[in-house]
Amino acid sequence: EVQLVESGGGLAKPGGSLRLSCAASGLTFSDAWMTWVRQAPGKGLEWVGRVRSKAAGGTTDYAAPVKGRFTIFRDDSKNTLYLQMNSLQIEDTAVYYCTQPQLDYWGQGTLVTVSS
Amino acid sequence: QAVVTQEPSLTVSPGGTVTLTCGSSTGAVTSGHYPYWIQQKPGQAPRTLIYETSNKSFWTPARFSGSLLGGKAALTLSGAQPEDEAEYYCLLTYTAARVFGGGTQLTVL
Repeated sequence: EVQLVESGGGLAKPGGSLRLSCAASGLTFSDAWMTWVRQAPGKGLEWVGRVRSKAAGGTTDYAAPVKGRFTIFRDDSKNTLYLQMNSLQIEDTAVYYCTQPQLDYWGQGTLVTVSS
Repeated sequence: QAVVTQEPSLTVSPGGTVTLTCGSSTGAVTSGHYPYWIQQKPGQAPRTLIYETSNKSFWTPARFSGSLLGGKAALTLSGAQPEDEAEYYCLLTYTAARVFGGGTQLTVL
């Protein structure tokens, strides 16, 4: 059974940083292109960014609102995906999901709250 | 960043048929946008219903189908069931990013 388990969410101040983790099991993680998606309270889904597999170059793409502030990276030896979030803004408050959408692998999400 | 448009809400009768659409501000939606349809029920994580225009996830009921229709991506539900009441999001791929639509709240009533 495939499991994606996010962690690292919590309360951060505007301008602060947080690092989210997504521990994967039950899949060949190193082959997977992984994505972060977020959902602000009561709002729709928002694509945050993705990282390709190392075999595909390991490169990343980001949505415009987070580009330059967020970094996605992976540690295939730990089967773990990361989202480093810097210069956090109130608008970054959301549940963050780790996903491999083509294979319908989704975590349950972790809540990030940015507030002073 | 491109804008992806969906109907905010639709209603379908039990057993009825409804089509949800997904448009792009950049022009016609094509297979090159690799359209996804994501279902989300209240309090639950999203699930992928359709990927790359018309491919179904293992769990996707046969009553759902994806296609391209009139320059848009389309999700057709034939024979709606009460459990199909949910929010449906379209996801399109652009050169260096993907963008979700605002979602369609589907009511089965």
